[in-house]
Amino acid sequence: GAVVSQHPSRVICKSGTSVKIECRSLDFQATTMFWYRQFPKKSLMLMATSNEGSKATYEQGVEKDKFLINHASLTLSTLTVTSAHPEDSSFYICSATKEETQYFGPGTRLLVL
Amino acid sequence: EDQVTQSPEALRLQEGESSSLNCSYTVSGLRGLFWYRQDPGKGPEFLFTLYSAGEEKEKERLKATLTKKESFLHITAPKPEDSATYLCAVSITGNQFYFGTGTSLTVIP
Repeated sequence: GAVVSQHPSRVICKSGTSVKIECRSLDFQATTMFWYRQFPKKSLMLMATSNEGSKATYEQGVEKDKFLINHASLTLSTLTVTSAHPEDSSFYICSATKEETQYFGPGTRLLVL
Repeated sequence: EDQVTQSPEALRLQEGESSSLNCSYTVSGLRGLFWYRQDPGKGPEFLFTLYSAGEEKEKERLKATLTKKESFLHITAPKPEDSATYLCAVSITGNQFYFGTGTSLTVIP
């Protein structure tokens, strides 16, 4: 199998606080993980590519100081939304690659009040 | 420019009415073409990978085919539970993927 989990599944936080989202590959090791953002009824928007043991590669327009990504092991990548604001409210989805196929997590719904 | 286009954007079918979704691509050096299903509020679920023109894969009521320019996802006798958004993606390197914008399928009982 190729199972990817995310935690938490949903989070509500106050404006100005930081939120950490975890992405784990449960039954395989992933040297590469991806982080996406998805707006309602829209397709996936790639935010960054996370490689184990090295710095993440961010897509154009994504603030790397705001969306901190750490890929410390072959089974875990984290996305930290720093000083969150209401406009950061969204559905965040991670994926991990196994044999060049992406397997997605269930997503994290973030609501910033 | 590398590009993936899915059509139609939305499709409504009566239960049992077979149809096809299209994914056309213009990329140099296709390594793989992927189909996913996404339900509202959930992450995409992997369905198929196709690697070369002429390849076909099936799973229950779904059949994916690939040519040098496009892929089709055929849905035979769909049921309401097949309602979802179907996403197509291509990879040109091991870590570079391009996604289409998806086809929203609604199957009416």
